Amino acid sequence: DAGVIQSPRHEVTEMGQEVTLRCKPISGHDYLFWYRQTMMRGLELLIYFNNNVPIDDSGMPEDRFSAKMPNASFSTLKIQPSEPRDSAVYFCASSFQAHGYTFGSGTRLTVV
Amino acid sequence: QKEVEQDPGPLSVPEGAIVSLNCTYSNSAFQYFMWYRQYSRKGPELLMYTYSSGNKEDGRFTAQVDKSSKYISLFIRDSQPSDSATYLCAMSVYSGGGADGLTFGKGTHLIIQP
Repeated sequence: DAGVIQSPRHEVTEMGQEVTLRCKPISGHDYLFWYRQTMMRGLELLIYFNNNVPIDDSGMPEDRFSAKMPNASFSTLKIQPSEPRDSAVYFCASSFQAHGYTFGSGTRLTVV
Repeated sequence: QKEVEQDPGPLSVPEGAIVSLNCTYSNSAFQYFMWYRQYSRKGPELLMYTYSSGNKEDGRFTAQVDKSSKYISLFIRDSQPSDSATYLCAMSVYSGGGADGLTFGKGTHLIIQP
């Protein structure tokens, strides 16, 4: 298995632009999580899905953030409009009721 | 008070030393405790998983949980330069990919000097 695949690996965008981050979870996993990592705040859970259904989005910072999971093999996290304070590494992770999550390599987002 | 506290380091030790990494937490409902290792510009990878109090050993790594003190530890014996990474503790109320996600510490940056 190729693991959790995220794209793009790096994204540099201008303030106000729309950004879409993508994630392909491990086949057969029924949970998918989006995390954000910064030096100041560490890893923060943004939203998670179970069987493609959003369960808890209380970590989504603002209405500018939205996430979808149209099927078991794909999820997106969208930021519109983006702001410099959104600059961070965004991780996707998946799990099958496991004893831990498998993380992707992350998307490093820079908003200038 | 933050839910999970972890000293960010950096912690620098010579090769071969025993390393002790620790976290404290405030939520007594946490039952599942994990340690993740994160290399630079990579995602965290699961290293150790324990349930409730007690010890768990896996090769050079030992995870210890003391729920009465709300304190968890990771010990690395015979440390190697390849162990240099950021170590994050994580914990949850429910098992694995359960209902609440994981709460992470900010991580301790460990440097093993050759």
